[in-house]
Amino acid sequence: GQNIDQPTEMTATEGAIVQINCTYQTSGFNGLFWYQQHAGEAPTFLSYNVLDGLEEKGRFSSFLSRSKGYSYLLLKELQMKDSASYLCAVRDSNYQLIWGAGTKLIIKP
Amino acid sequence: GAGVSQSPRYKVAKRGQDVALRCDPISGHVSLFWYQQALGQGPEFLTYFQNEAQLDKSGLPSDRFFAERPEGSVSTLKIQRTQQEDSAVYLCASSLARGAPTYEQYFGPGTRLTVT
Repeated sequence: GQNIDQPTEMTATEGAIVQINCTYQTSGFNGLFWYQQHAGEAPTFLSYNVLDGLEEKGRFSSFLSRSKGYSYLLLKELQMKDSASYLCAVRDSNYQLIWGAGTKLIIKP
Repeated sequence: GAGVSQSPRYKVAKRGQDVALRCDPISGHVSLFWYQQALGQGPEFLTYFQNEAQLDKSGLPSDRFFAERPEGSVSTLKIQRTQQEDSAVYLCASSLARGAPTYEQYFGPGTRLTVT
């Protein structure tokens, strides 16, 4: 079956750096996405990786290793507003997005 | 409009009632998706439209669930004879084209359905 694994919850300190990992097993691979979802709100797009390596976008970076079925989202200079759930999703061979359960990130002052 | 809109935002239904959830995608977006999201979980795929054609409905949990997009823009998700296990947030998302390089999906705020 298809499976996306990510930690359920993480805690970090304001101003610090946190890395959220995601491992996947899917039927084919056509890209990996990270979305941010604040409580009670819709998911919003953060990043997209289809080739191995690091994609940097401001305070957020996302890394992909297709051979390892692994990705991480790196958040730098954490701010209180970064408290949210972070969802990893993989587009499979049918171009369908398979979603992880999300990682709830708690930022402490 | 500026983004994807959904209505109603909240719906309380008694078990056995029928409900209809509406989604207005971003103008010009070809692809439209419906997801079901339980508390503390990621979205679960329900169905996908390309324009007015429903190309994938493999995620619909039962034949009580029905979706349509008759003119290729607004979509309605209908749930007949609601059950308590149908309680969830129903998210609608749209994108320019399914095979587009980044395939970014834009989500609406969701409809929170509570079946009592």
